[in-house]
Amino acid sequence: QSVLTQPPSVSGAPGQRVTIPCTGSSSNIGAGYAVHWYQQFPGTAPKLLIYDNDHRPSGVPDRFSASKSGTSASLAITGLQAEDEADYFCQSYDTRRSGYYVFGTGTKVTVL
Amino acid sequence: QVHLHQWGAGLLKPSETLSLTCDVYGGSASGDYWIWIRQSPGKGLEWIGEINHSGGTYYNPSLKSRATISIDGSERQLSLRLKSVTAADTAVYYCANLTVGSPNWFGPWGQGTLVTVSS
Repeated sequence: QSVLTQPPSVSGAPGQRVTIPCTGSSSNIGAGYAVHWYQQFPGTAPKLLIYDNDHRPSGVPDRFSASKSGTSASLAITGLQAEDEADYFCQSYDTRRSGYYVFGTGTKVTVL
Repeated sequence: QVHLHQWGAGLLKPSETLSLTCDVYGGSASGDYWIWIRQSPGKGLEWIGEINHSGGTYYNPSLKSRATISIDGSERQLSLRLKSVTAADTAVYYCANLTVGSPNWFGPWGQGTLVTVSS
């Protein structure tokens, strides 16, 4: 069902930098729509982490950053911390899908 | 800061109607935009529908007109009804505040309600 593709998991040691790609197509990210990112801990609701490709809501640490290029986007966590272990989802809009809002498949970040 | 609290029945039989309510604290349900989203292991995150401050609603066509979102008269609650449920509707359901953008983004979210459809 998910239109935006993410790797199932990424991992890194504390202090390292990890990146999570979000691959779309010409009908969503490539059509110029922004990408938003959400963080979700087990058993809790997703939380907005990044909006409009690269903007952090108030309270989100600056070790989280994101970018968008072409038909893909990427979330980076610099200086990985144990508390960053969670699932991360990208979200955009698709002109060809009946559901309009599309989400990524989700990536589990594991801190080694 | 808006805070959302959801509640509703968590166990339904096939063909019954799902009914969930989302209490809005720190804001006005009728003065803002809201969305219902569900999450299941098989389908991931899926948009159900949204309602704007004018009461206009937009639904995911894949739900084949089974969903209804509304804001009640007290302006403190929004609700979701999904009729004729099947096992495929088993998921965690979330309400969330929607911010208009290109595209819109969502947050904060309610705590989620697990709805299981089983005979």
